[in-house]
Amino acid sequence: AQKITQTQPGMFVQEKEAVTLDCTYDTSDPSYGLFWYKQPSSGEMIFLIYQGSYDQQNATEGRYSLNFQKARKSANLVISASQLGDSAMYFCAMREEGYSTLTFGKGTMLLVSP
Amino acid sequence: EAQVTQNPRYLITVTGKKLTVTCSQNMNHEYMSWYRQDPGLGLRQIYYSMNVEVTDKGDVPEGYKVSRKEKRNFPLILESPSPNQTSLYFCASSLGNTGKTGYTFGSGTRLTVV
Repeated sequence: AQKITQTQPGMFVQEKEAVTLDCTYDTSDPSYGLFWYKQPSSGEMIFLIYQGSYDQQNATEGRYSLNFQKARKSANLVISASQLGDSAMYFCAMREEGYSTLTFGKGTMLLVSP
Repeated sequence: EAQVTQNPRYLITVTGKKLTVTCSQNMNHEYMSWYRQDPGLGLRQIYYSMNVEVTDKGDVPEGYKVSRKEKRNFPLILESPSPNQTSLYFCASSLGNTGKTGYTFGSGTRLTVV
């Protein structure tokens, strides 16, 4: 079974609008971390935001916020006020306590139009 | 600047010709890992290392070798490359293996095997 599921292969949004990228995860470990990475067309992996399983509040980093719903095992990324430079592939990932593996979803391609 | 450096960025080679992709990090990280990225599959872990002389297989280790003789270096070796190893490869490093520690990624190596 997939540990990380991103159900949206592609998303379109207009500049200045908000967009939510979905991510659900599967783990029986009570301690884990959730990460979002951005991959622009140049190919590098850019860390965006982190959410710990014991964190009481949703993580925020500038225009990025993570809508963490632990009971539903979802960790959606919200990008507010989209910019053209946000066009990229976005990956959700999870790392379980004590494991070396950062497990990735298959990604969502976001296209921001003027 | 804290970074993971991998070389080369681009490589075209022929089937069966041994090659090495180098990876070096300057953050004194214990954990290092190699991933490959293929369209529609996301990133999959090839090998990882928890410290010097300690390596283990990830999800897709067939056809690859690694070594960790020094803490900072973690080369990926393809003894006899085949076309199905054409992919985008990432080296990454991490300070620990708790759920809260993500990976810092190198810029990627685009490998084409003809």
